[in-house]
Amino acid sequence: SQQGEEDPQALSIQEGENATMNCSYKTSINNLQWYRQNSGRGLVHLILIRSNEREKHSGRLRVTLDTSKKSSSLLITASRAADTASYFCATDAPTSGTYKYIFGTGTRLKVLA
Amino acid sequence: EPEVTQTPSHQVTQMGQEVILRCVPISNHLYFYWYRQILGQKVEFLVSFYNNEISEKSEIFDDQFSVERPDGSNFTLKIRSTKLEDSAMYFCASSFGGLNTFGSGTRLTVV
Repeated sequence: SQQGEEDPQALSIQEGENATMNCSYKTSINNLQWYRQNSGRGLVHLILIRSNEREKHSGRLRVTLDTSKKSSSLLITASRAADTASYFCATDAPTSGTYKYIFGTGTRLKVLA
Repeated sequence: EPEVTQTPSHQVTQMGQEVILRCVPISNHLYFYWYRQILGQKVEFLVSFYNNEISEKSEIFDDQFSVERPDGSNFTLKIRSTKLEDSAMYFCASSFGGLNTFGSGTRLTVV
């Protein structure tokens, strides 16, 4: 599999439920970011977690990072219909020397009202 | 908050035509990038640019693509002789040396 695989690929939940998305990566990282993208639109930065951090919160978002397992999860609590979007993780590639980002395949979240 | 600006937001071009996508990175950033996202797929790295030259490029970035920083503020991606499969969202990003800040993208439609 490639750097930045996410699961599930698609997730459908009822409004008010929690949504959990996972991201796995292969190489060492300095930081990992989560982005949201509404269909056909730009990337909205949600949260950044650095390699020396294990958990971060921002409003209804909670991100965890397990560098030993090379994985991260994004939890959206009390979901709303407006949370319907695709969610991507992106990792930097410190060994490349260029600070490029490698994106995951994304999870398409649908929140039903 | 400083932002990366991309123009145009949407461009439609005929197959075989040349297009130039424009970006204004954050002023004190040193690294510049282009990424591509085909509809329904993930965002893919195309090229990075540092110190007025390409520092890394992906397999996607073939001879039909070129990048330029023509002045102190703009960063452009040129696609020569566009193909239907070049239709995608193109994102510009810049960084000081770490965190990438992304522009809102240019949707390129090749007809």
